[in-house]
Amino acid sequence: QKEVEQDPGPLSVPEGAIVSLNCTYSNSAFQYFMWYRQYSRKGPELLMYTYSSGNKEDGRFTAQVDKSSKYISLFIRDSQPSDSATYLCAMKKQGGSEKLVFGKGTKLTVNP
Amino acid sequence: DTGVSQNPRHKITKRGQNVTFRCDPISEHNRLYWYRQTLGQGPEFLTYFQNEAQLEKSRLLSDRFSAERPKGSFSTLEIQRTEQGDSAMYLCASSTAKNRGEKLFFGSGTQLSVL
Repeated sequence: QKEVEQDPGPLSVPEGAIVSLNCTYSNSAFQYFMWYRQYSRKGPELLMYTYSSGNKEDGRFTAQVDKSSKYISLFIRDSQPSDSATYLCAMKKQGGSEKLVFGKGTKLTVNP
Repeated sequence: DTGVSQNPRHKITKRGQNVTFRCDPISEHNRLYWYRQTLGQGPEFLTYFQNEAQLEKSRLLSDRFSAERPKGSFSTLEIQRTEQGDSAMYLCASSTAKNRGEKLFFGSGTQLSVL
């Protein structure tokens, strides 16, 4: 079992839809949870960052962390064609290693 | 802030050749990371520098791989005796000590193809 599991999709939605992306993980030592967005032929770009459990909102994006279920989510409201990209979840333990552990990424297409 | 710069963007080489990639981080960032990403996968951690000190290396970083950051600014990643399995996107990222390793700024990567 991989430490971080993410459905690779692809996911196709119409413009304006609410998008839900999620990851599960197996290692309870993860304390930092991130969502990165990656456009084709580009490096990942940090979208959301959450420490421990709870919700965080930034504009059209909401990140949720449920540590009891080892489940994290990213919601995109009023999705736009410019949101079409691969979304990667990433996690890090507190202390010790500086390594981020990434999911495989979910490829999202928002159709106009 | 010009972002993280990686050169070259693409490299095609024959199996058995040596290749070297360069990364220039954001100027005030003292932390520098190398990751590798293959098609359909998320990035995998290779190594991490704080200033010029290499503080962490992944088991993925075999003896054929070596990374340096001699003056705590730019970094190089060298792969000796390349193999077809080394074909991947090599990503460099940087961050500040304040943001630690969670908030990484990535470059656009060097795409390596080993024939």
